Amino acid sequence: NAGVMQNPRHLVRRRGQEARLRCSPMKGHSHVYWYRQLPEEGLKFMVYLQKENIIDESGMPKERFSAEFPKEGPSILRIQQVVRGDSAAYFCASSPGGTGGRSYNEQFFGPGTRLTVL
Amino acid sequence: DQQVKQNSPSLSVQEGRISILNCDYTNSMFDYFLWYKKYPAEGPTFLISISSIKDKNEDGRFTVFLNKSAKHLSLHIVPSQPGDSAVYFCAASAPNSGYALNFGKGTSLLVTP
Repeated sequence: NAGVMQNPRHLVRRRGQEARLRCSPMKGHSHVYWYRQLPEEGLKFMVYLQKENIIDESGMPKERFSAEFPKEGPSILRIQQVVRGDSAAYFCASSPGGTGGRSYNEQFFGPGTRLTVL
Repeated sequence: DQQVKQNSPSLSVQEGRISILNCDYTNSMFDYFLWYKKYPAEGPTFLISISSIKDKNEDGRFTVFLNKSAKHLSLHIVPSQPGDSAVYFCAASAPNSGYALNFGKGTSLLVTP
């Protein structure tokens, strides 16, 4: 399966704990995006990364949230000291990037990680 | 601040008929628009896109129409099939937005036999 992989699919944390969400992009894709979907809402952009670089984190909360996309391995979205309001579905997407048209906008999504904070 | 709006939370259509899903946007900088389909417990799946230099793009049963002056786009599915039942999200991006997609809240389509 060459699709975007996310794990875990479901994650339960107590308030104050840390949550780590992982995303492996599609083969050949070098751009990764994280989105959050709250209940009854659309997806909200959080952060856009390329290998070892954060390109745009304008949608990321200023505190407790961080993201990385190391040279080797998956992209990680980390939420420290989780609160109940962090309960949501977190989706990762990837795109090929590169020049020549708007193919970078055709982002391919993973199945999501559903975070529940008790 | 919802820049992409899908004002119909749900739509029910009979199998074989046309489904029309609507989307409005407020940001005049948006120049690329996409439709995604989402089943429960899965990620969105890309359906079709359109650049602002066009007013129509067609792919099989799916056609997207763009009216820039009205800041409105629509997705037509014809003929509709029961397997099309899903939530459809409209998304838009601007060249200065860092490639982020702005999503609407979605329209839940139910196609009945």
